[in-house]
Amino acid sequence: AQSVTQPDIHITVSEGASLELRCNYSYGATPYLFWYVQSPGQGLQLLLKYFSGDTLVQGIKGFEAEFKRSQSSFNLRKPSVHWSDAAEYFCAVGTHASGGSYIPTFGRGTSLIVHP
Amino acid sequence: DAGITQSPRYKITETGRQVTLMCHQTWSHSYMFWYRQDLGHGLRLIYYSAAADITDKGEVPDGYVVSRSKTENFPLTLESATRSQTSVYFCASSEGSGSPGTQYFGPGTRLLVL
Repeated sequence: AQSVTQPDIHITVSEGASLELRCNYSYGATPYLFWYVQSPGQGLQLLLKYFSGDTLVQGIKGFEAEFKRSQSSFNLRKPSVHWSDAAEYFCAVGTHASGGSYIPTFGRGTSLIVHP
Repeated sequence: DAGITQSPRYKITETGRQVTLMCHQTWSHSYMFWYRQDLGHGLRLIYYSAAADITDKGEVPDGYVVSRSKTENFPLTLESATRSQTSVYFCASSEGSGSPGTQYFGPGTRLLVL
């Protein structure tokens, strides 16, 4: 069965510092991978997704993620964090469902705290 | 405004009562989903629907019922609420099959069962 592991429950960084959030997945076929962000009291918003092709994916708000098949990882990065990036971040792997669509399985999330 | 809406945003109920959470989307997306979010568990899929009149169980369906008579609506009913169903519930929608669609999430319903 598919699964997603986000090893870090909380990450604390200083504003302006670089960021890397880790995500490891387990899935037998070619994975479809997503990163979502959830601001306090809000629903989730897609940051970026990987389906195929270039393993370095650019997303919104200056985020990028790199797919590494050999490590079963899809880590999220940002070169310089802003205070507004403080939020909960979810990694997800899309798996086949009935009707041909893909149902995401979410990790437990990583809470990002940004110090001024 | 176009988008995905949930109602109510907050609900307090008592054990044993029936509760229905509403979800409405204006994009005519084929797929709709219900998740619950609990501390330490992330998002867990309750039910999903591929089209009107087609629904399927997710990871944690027990105690919940869904229906989808119209493409745009996907209500979630707790037939007899329990305290363990206290949670934040998110509805989401996505486009059709063939490739992994982006999910668009509603703002959530915060449910407290006393």
